[in-house]
Amino acid sequence: ETAVFQTPNYHVTQVGNEVSFNCKQTLGHDTMYWYKQDSKKLLKIMFSYNNKQLIVNETVPRRFSPQSSDKAHLNLRIKSVEPEDSAVYLCASSWTGGGDTQYFGPGTRLLVL
Amino acid sequence: TQTVSQSDAHVTVFEGDSVELRCNYSYGGSIYLSWYIQHHGRGLQFLLKYYSGNPVVQGVNGFEAEFSKSDSSFHLRKASVHWSDSAVYFCAVSRNNNNRIFFGDGTQLVVKP
Repeated sequence: ETAVFQTPNYHVTQVGNEVSFNCKQTLGHDTMYWYKQDSKKLLKIMFSYNNKQLIVNETVPRRFSPQSSDKAHLNLRIKSVEPEDSAVYLCASSWTGGGDTQYFGPGTRLLVL
Repeated sequence: TQTVSQSDAHVTVFEGDSVELRCNYSYGGSIYLSWYIQHHGRGLQFLLKYYSGNPVVQGVNGFEAEFSKSDSSFHLRKASVHWSDSAVYFCAVSRNNNNRIFFGDGTQLVVKP
């Protein structure tokens, strides 16, 4: 049963455009994440938000910015997309604390032409 | 620095075969070890987790994994695979005092009929 929702499922855009992806979780978790998954299925953590505070910010380009209105929502904005941004973006959530299981959304596939 | 190594990028078996997907990690402290599964076009789903106690942990759909401290391993096994087990499997390690999960590169399992 899906409890982490992502929109859109798929997005095609041109280089230089701005895009925004949405994520919502209904599990009551207090931590949310964004991952980038490339064409080889490799996962890279991008951001982690705990109670609306950024607690992990990996070395991602500055054109990426997470946006959170409350602990159930974590959006991702890309200000000016580049071809290398083409990937699947996965949102996840968990409770705070070590080892807690992460629950993933279905992903948003971005294609930059 | 924690690392997770999945030595096999691809594994192909026939339906009904047994399978073992290998995972080795390097970390010297208290950690959680997990396996996640990702079906094509979907997000990751939690399979099982080990922290302490019985080194053999049971997961969903007949999967189990065995922790070995001496080998620094946490291999995933299934006695009899089904075609629906075809997916990418990720091994993951996290510490017991933060949410950061380190994922391996994944193993693509193909189950032929």
